Amino acid sequence: QVQLKESGPVLVQASETLSLTCTVSGFSLTNYGVIWVRQPPGKGLEWMGIIWRNGNTDYNSALKSRLSINRDTSKSQVFLKMNSLQTDDTAIYYCTRDLLWWGQGVMVTVSS
Amino acid sequence: DIVMTQTPLSLSVAIGQSASISCKSSQSLKYSDGKTYLNWVFQSPGQSPKRLIYQVSKLDSGVPDRFSGTGSETDFTLKISRVEAEDLGVYYCCQGSYSYTFGAGTKLELK
Repeated sequence: QVQLKESGPVLVQASETLSLTCTVSGFSLTNYGVIWVRQPPGKGLEWMGIIWRNGNTDYNSALKSRLSINRDTSKSQVFLKMNSLQTDDTAIYYCTRDLLWWGQGVMVTVSS
Repeated sequence: DIVMTQTPLSLSVAIGQSASISCKSSQSLKYSDGKTYLNWVFQSPGQSPKRLIYQVSKLDSGVPDRFSGTGSETDFTLKISRVEAEDLGVYYCCQGSYSYTFGAGTKLELK
């Protein structure tokens, strides 16, 4: 059974770095990529980036300078780090496989 | 970057009516492997999104055949025949041919 679960701090100070973990089960990270998507309150979905099954990454060009995605295949975990946070980074952060399987999301608030 | 333009942004329908959502991409989504990676994703209020359709017209398991996807190159359409209450929420097109990009979303509401 495919499952993904996001974890990380719910409150981050502006200018600091956000670190989130997506823990997956039911599949191997060497067989499937994992995508990060975020959704500001009351707004639409924004693709952030992907770590492909071979470990390569692609990032949204608008976030590329601040974002990195890595993984630990032995722990079935994918990591998102984004620096220089601002209040408009406040959002629900999701990880998903294939856009078919999604975590429940984690609401991150950036406080000034 | 590819831009995905969805219309309308809001759609009011009565239960039992049909609904149609358009999605246009700023460049062809036909990839070098000959496939077109256009997805439709649905989000009901307070829930995580879920994919309904992939590669333009292929329904995910469990998706009712009231849903259909058509299109090619840069123009795509999601059609829902006989809308039911459980269909109300926001629909997003999302291209996966060149990284990923979501459309702005179309909110399907009850008339």
